[in-house]
Amino acid sequence: QQQVKQSPQSLIVQKGGISIINCAYENTAFDYFPWYQQFPGKGPALLIAIRPDVSEKKEGRFTISFNKSAKQFSLHIMDSQPGDSATYFCAASKEGSGGGADGLTFGKGTHLIIQP
Amino acid sequence: DTEVTQTPKHLVMGMTNKKSLKCEQHMGHRAMYWYKQKAKKPPELMFVYSYEKLSINESVPSRFSPECPNSSLLNLHLHALQPEDSALYLCASSQGGAHYEQYFGPGTRLTVT
Repeated sequence: QQQVKQSPQSLIVQKGGISIINCAYENTAFDYFPWYQQFPGKGPALLIAIRPDVSEKKEGRFTISFNKSAKQFSLHIMDSQPGDSATYFCAASKEGSGGGADGLTFGKGTHLIIQP
Repeated sequence: DTEVTQTPKHLVMGMTNKKSLKCEQHMGHRAMYWYKQKAKKPPELMFVYSYEKLSINESVPSRFSPECPNSSLLNLHLHALQPEDSALYLCASSQGGAHYEQYFGPGTRLTVT
């Protein structure tokens, strides 16, 4: 059972455009929703994250929109640049039994290409 | 500083070998994680250590054996692996408590021959 569904699988955007990636989750116990960026051969890098008590969070060109009732969240990359070309993963987590967070449950990823 | 280091970067091992992967963080984080990532797939959780105690084992085969010698170190001992275990093994850490942000290391690329 896939607990976090991500779309699209791949995305091509022109330089300067807006890239939008969507995720939906099923487990209502999730209370932390990060986005990661991964370049080939590297570990995932934390981009931005949101908690369910806010509907939007912005950091630079990256914005997360969160809809708790629909159990959906999305990443918007404004003024997309060729250097943004990477694989993006949404994820979700919740409080663990041992204190701190459980591990992350990831979406399947979006391969983003920004064309010059 | 949000650096998690992993050694070695690459590892090739036979199915009868015993090897270990090492992960280190000096951020004072109290939770550490092992993930496995196959090509073109998302990372999959293997183990979680919280305050140096194993809190989650995602039904990982016993040929993978985690160890947390202290709050800064996390090891993954490997024995009698199969070729399908070839993957990128990622370590991550987080502060613990109400701080859920996880920071990943660069990974160890493991090839089992």
